[in-house]
Amino acid sequence: KQEVTQIPAALSVPEGENLVLNCSFTDSAIYNLQWFRQDPGKGLTSLLLIQSSQREQTSGRLNASLDKSSGRSTLYIAASQPGDSATYLCAVTFYGGSQGNLIFGKGTKLSVKP
Amino acid sequence: DADVTQTPRNRITKTGKRIMLECSQTKGHDRMYWYRQDPGLGLRLIYYSFDVKDINKGEISDGYSVSRQAQAKFSLSLESAIPNQTALYFCATSDPPTSPSTDTQYFGPGTRLTVL
Repeated sequence: KQEVTQIPAALSVPEGENLVLNCSFTDSAIYNLQWFRQDPGKGLTSLLLIQSSQREQTSGRLNASLDKSSGRSTLYIAASQPGDSATYLCAVTFYGGSQGNLIFGKGTKLSVKP
Repeated sequence: DADVTQTPRNRITKTGKRIMLECSQTKGHDRMYWYRQDPGLGLRLIYYSFDVKDINKGEISDGYSVSRQAQAKFSLSLESAIPNQTALYFCATSDPPTSPSTDTQYFGPGTRLTVL
């Protein structure tokens, strides 16, 4: 079964700290991997999308990496801010799955303390 | 205005009642999806539709039905609600991907449904 796992489930850090969120997946035959941010009452917003042929993507203070061989992705957040507090979801589209079927991890709830 | 809207945003109902959740989008996307999110279980796909005449079951379709009334509208129905359908429900949209880099989905704000 194709699964996506995120560790840790929750993380609390002081403002200004650099941090890493982890995502692992069970099948290396992925089409792409995405990191979403979920804010209460506002749905999910796509932060970064990495194609299967890519190793990383960057957007501002965010950097996502992909290692298909080890079945892992990381989301690196530099110089964290209280506004980064949210739940971060990793989602994978696998080859061989239903078209358009994103498989989500359970998320990491991040709290950045001022 | 939001590109993907969901109504209602919150709903409390009783066991056995019929409930309809509605989703509308102004993004002009062909594809629409319904997910539910439960604490500790993540998001799971209920149904998806690639165009007005196409409806497909997702991972957890039992107890649900959908209707694609138009390109912009996709409704989820619970014919006879039960307490374990208490969850946060999300609608999402996308266009057919032209490459892996364009294969993403756009989510509505969610509907919090409580079944007593």
